[in-house]
Amino acid sequence: SQTIHQWPATLVQPVGSPLSLECTVEGTSNPNLYWYRQAAGRGLQLLFYSVGIGQISSEVPQNLSASRPQDRQFILSSKKLLLSDSGFYLCAWSPLAGGYNEQFFGPGTRLTVL
Amino acid sequence: AQSVTQLDSHVSVSEGTPVLLRCNYSSSYSPSLFWYVQHPNKGLQLLLKYTSAATLVKGINGFEAEFKKSETSFHLTKPSAHMSDAAEYFCVVSDGLSGGYNKLIFGAGTRLAVHP
Repeated sequence: SQTIHQWPATLVQPVGSPLSLECTVEGTSNPNLYWYRQAAGRGLQLLFYSVGIGQISSEVPQNLSASRPQDRQFILSSKKLLLSDSGFYLCAWSPLAGGYNEQFFGPGTRLTVL
Repeated sequence: AQSVTQLDSHVSVSEGTPVLLRCNYSSSYSPSLFWYVQHPNKGLQLLLKYTSAATLVKGINGFEAEFKKSETSFHLTKPSAHMSDAAEYFCVVSDGLSGGYNKLIFGAGTRLAVHP
């Protein structure tokens, strides 16, 4: 069966510090991978998606970047955090086959920028 | 373009009473629809999905949803609420294959409270 891991679970960082959140998927190959952010009182916002190694697409302009150095690894980064980067970050995967497939979510990372 | 509207931001029920969470969608073609649940500080868990098979879809934990094309609705129901059902629920429509991946459109969420 497939599992998805995210770490760390919680993170408190000062404004201006760098960020690295990691997501890994087990039990599948060539997944599509996604980063979402869920800010307090708001819905889910898709930040990045990837359909393969090194292939990253950004949905919204922002202070964050993403990388996919390995097939089942997805990293969310920032060089300098802003207060507005606080939120709950969720990684998700879906099968590579296109169409109407659901996405499977990781446990999330709670980021607080002070 | 696809869209989804969850008609209630908050729903409160007593334990043992029925649950109804309402969702309407907009789609230019036959959609795929999902319900996800999110407990506090947890990821989203798939409850059930509709993909143009049976219109009444059964999911986990006793939840089910009925796809009604004429009403463009996909309401989530459960006959008897349990305290552990207290969570946020998201109705989601798939925008199909776009840019090489299936984009999901999320509703704003409905927070379900269950009282003893």
